[in-house]
Amino acid sequence: DTGVSQDPRHKITKRGQNVTFRCDPISEHNRLYWYRQTLGQGPEFLTYFQNEAQLEKSRLLSDRFSAERPKGSFSTLEIQRTEQGDSAMYLCATLRGSNYGYTFGSGTRLTVV
Amino acid sequence: SQKIEQNSEALNIQEGKTATLTCNYTNYSPAYLQWYRQDPGRGPVFLLLIRENEKEKRKERLKVTFDTTLKQSLFHITASQPADSATYLCALVYSSASKIIFGSGTRLSIRP
Repeated sequence: DTGVSQDPRHKITKRGQNVTFRCDPISEHNRLYWYRQTLGQGPEFLTYFQNEAQLEKSRLLSDRFSAERPKGSFSTLEIQRTEQGDSAMYLCATLRGSNYGYTFGSGTRLTVV
Repeated sequence: SQKIEQNSEALNIQEGKTATLTCNYTNYSPAYLQWYRQDPGRGPVFLLLIRENEKEKRKERLKVTFDTTLKQSLFHITASQPADSATYLCALVYSSASKIIFGSGTRLSIRP
């Protein structure tokens, strides 16, 4: 499978718990992005990496959110002390180059109860 | 801040007709504009890209136009089929390519 893989597909957690999502990108794509999408809305940018360097973070990414991409390979997105407002689909995407579109994973759907 | 508006209502058309979706934006024009398809519970899938110096792009039954004067892109699906039913997202990319800005999407339904 040469696509972008995300794990888990679904996560239900209690408010206040920490959660971590994983994204395995297409190996030759060195840019990796995280987006968040709520029902009826388009994806909203959270952060992106060029190899292992985190180059940009959205103001949406509060102190409770942290993302890493060790060794420029897979990436993780952690949310600490989850709140109900964090319930959303979290999407990972990679970019081959500016002449191409983004390749998205199927996302992780988070439900905070 | 940049705003993107897509058809606010869902679009419901008869099979075989041409579906036309609209994407309008404010402020400055992007380096290029992309269109994606999204099915329920799945991530967006890239369809087409058009640059600011291009007026029109085609791919099979798909056609995209880009008018930087009107600040508008139109996305056409000709000979529409029920399998084309999905949400279609317009996205703007600026020259840094650091991120893309998505519209909220238009839900398209093709009835047999």
